[in-house]
Amino acid sequence: DVKVTQSSRYLVKRTGEKVFLECVQDMDHENMFWYRQDPGLGLRLIYFSYDVKMKEKGDIPEGYSVSREKKERFSLILESASTNQTSMYLCASSLYLGNTGELFFGEGSRLTVL
Amino acid sequence: AQSVTQLDSQVPVFEEAPVELRCNYSSSVSVYLFWYVQYPNQGLQLLLKYLSGSTLVKGINGFEAEFNKSQTSFHLRKPSVHISDTAEYFCAVRGFGGTSYGKLTFGQGTILTVHP
Repeated sequence: DVKVTQSSRYLVKRTGEKVFLECVQDMDHENMFWYRQDPGLGLRLIYFSYDVKMKEKGDIPEGYSVSREKKERFSLILESASTNQTSMYLCASSLYLGNTGELFFGEGSRLTVL
Repeated sequence: AQSVTQLDSQVPVFEEAPVELRCNYSSSVSVYLFWYVQYPNQGLQLLLKYLSGSTLVKGINGFEAEFNKSQTSFHLRKPSVHISDTAEYFCAVRGFGGTSYGKLTFGQGTILTVHP
């Protein structure tokens, strides 16, 4: 069965801390994504990766970076967390980068920055 | 550029009643359209998708959606809802080719609450 696992379901961090959100998929998918979900705003794409060590900015990359050292793992990094980064973060993967590819999502990581 | 508008942020209904969740999109190119569902405390899963062909698309759990190109709409319907359908529903669009890659543009979400 398809599986995207996000290592932390709930995190509480302080302003200025460095935060790592980890995501692992077991489907041998080429493409991985990080979205941010906020009430009334839907999902917004932060970054995506179409291959190991490759990354592309999404719609809201400011304040974030990513790392993809292995095919199955895609990490989202908040270099210096701020309160406006309090949100739900969703990782997803897909086999095809083309337009018809279905996205498979993890269960999300809810981050609170105090 | 592309955008998606879900016209209702919340839809309350009684069990066994029909429901329609409305979605309009805007795009300068042809599109693929999707509906995803998010149950409480879970990630999103694909409900159905329109790629080409018949404009009436059937998905899981008895849901269906109709693509209307002239009205740029992709409304989701179910003739009789269950308590277990309580969830948030997201409409999403992806344009053909260009720089869209695998990038989906999501709507704001509609929270469907089914009451007994």
